[in-house]
Amino acid sequence: EPEVTQTPSHQVTQMGQEVILRCVPISNHLYFYWYRQILGQKVEFLVSFYNNEISEKSEIFDDQFSVERPDGSNFTLKIRSTKLEDSAMYFCASSASAEQYFGPGTRLTVT
Amino acid sequence: GQQVMQIPQYQHVQEGEDFTTYCNSSTTLSNIQWYKQRPGGHPVFLIQLVKSGEVKKQKRLTFQFGEAKKNSSLHITATQTTDVGTYFCAGPNTGNQFYFGTGTSLTVIP
Repeated sequence: EPEVTQTPSHQVTQMGQEVILRCVPISNHLYFYWYRQILGQKVEFLVSFYNNEISEKSEIFDDQFSVERPDGSNFTLKIRSTKLEDSAMYFCASSASAEQYFGPGTRLTVT
Repeated sequence: GQQVMQIPQYQHVQEGEDFTTYCNSSTTLSNIQWYKQRPGGHPVFLIQLVKSGEVKKQKRLTFQFGEAKKNSSLHITATQTTDVGTYFCAGPNTGNQFYFGTGTSLTVIP
């Protein structure tokens, strides 16, 4: 069964550093998403991406964040100048229509 | 902004008891989705409801979408230990931005 993959599974970085979280969506999907989940809290929408551009972004997704689909398979989330409060689980998801398939997540720890 | 609240936040039940979680949106939703997240896992899609008043069943799970399309519920009959996890509802805004509910964490005591 096809699945969304994410790398790395855990990223530790120092405050102020830049991180790139990587995702490989399911190959025939057209819609891609990034979410974050602070430990024990709800899943928060960051951004949706369709047709090689951002279709929606939340208030959380400010200039510190960017997304890219550098080739036909990868979908990346870049976080510049990380802050302590960026520590969370980041999930990538993809969909062909309604159902969103989530990846296993990257746990980002900012120290 | 749009808010999606769920109650209860936590629910402990004895195995075999029923469980219900309620989802309420501050705005009308075009559709609502339900996800299950096991401890340490990622959200897994369960179902989507689109029509006002729609009811769908998946084995022991019953999903309802309110007539006003602002609320929804998930009912599990005769819970099993495999039902443990957090159940989230999620609805889109007018675009493609999904708002997840606050979640209900279900613990099933064997």
